[in-house]
Amino acid sequence: EPEVTQTPSHQVTQMGQEVILRCVPISNHLYFYWYRQILGQKVEFLVSFYNNEISEKSEIFDDQFSVERPDGSNFTLKIRSTKLEDSAMYFCASRATGPPYSNQPQHFGDGTRLSIL
Amino acid sequence: DAKTTQPNSMESNEEEPVHLPCNHSTISGTDYIHWYRQLPSQGPEYVIHGLTSNVNNRMASLAIAEDRKSSTLILHRATLRDAAVYYCILRDKAGTYKYIFGTGTRLKVLA
Repeated sequence: EPEVTQTPSHQVTQMGQEVILRCVPISNHLYFYWYRQILGQKVEFLVSFYNNEISEKSEIFDDQFSVERPDGSNFTLKIRSTKLEDSAMYFCASRATGPPYSNQPQHFGDGTRLSIL
Repeated sequence: DAKTTQPNSMESNEEEPVHLPCNHSTISGTDYIHWYRQLPSQGPEYVIHGLTSNVNNRMASLAIAEDRKSSTLILHRATLRDAAVYYCILRDKAGTYKYIFGTGTRLKVLA
């Protein structure tokens, strides 16, 4: 069964450094998402992406965050200047298209654990 | 905030059925009900979704109340591998597909 893959599984970075988290969505999916989960807390939506632009973003997704689909297979999340509070699990998800209101489910990767020192 | 409410935790014996309830009294007519689960150290895993009719797949069944204000995820025979946090999720609002996760139900399966 096709799956969303994320690399690296664990990233350790010094505060203030830039970090790029990578995702390979399922190949025929066109909608992409990033979520994060701080240890012991809820999964939180960050951003959705379709047709090479951001569809929606949360308050968490400020100017320090950006997303990109640099080629036909990768989807990346960049944090420009990391803070201690960015330490979390970051999950990528993708979704197939379908008829209007068909609500195709999102499929999640197993995440990247980001640790800011 | 999440538009669903679920019990914080439930326990089940192995090999027995489990019924995980979810209330969503403010559901709109076009909202699908999605269920995910999150095993330790993994991302959320899709389980099942439905609109009005009951749904079955290889993982579980979804029973949706006639007024759609509640639903129940049914695991027919719980195994130790089913121990996870189960989330019942509605689409946030019409026109958006982001998920708003609540705290979910932590299912403990006893051997």
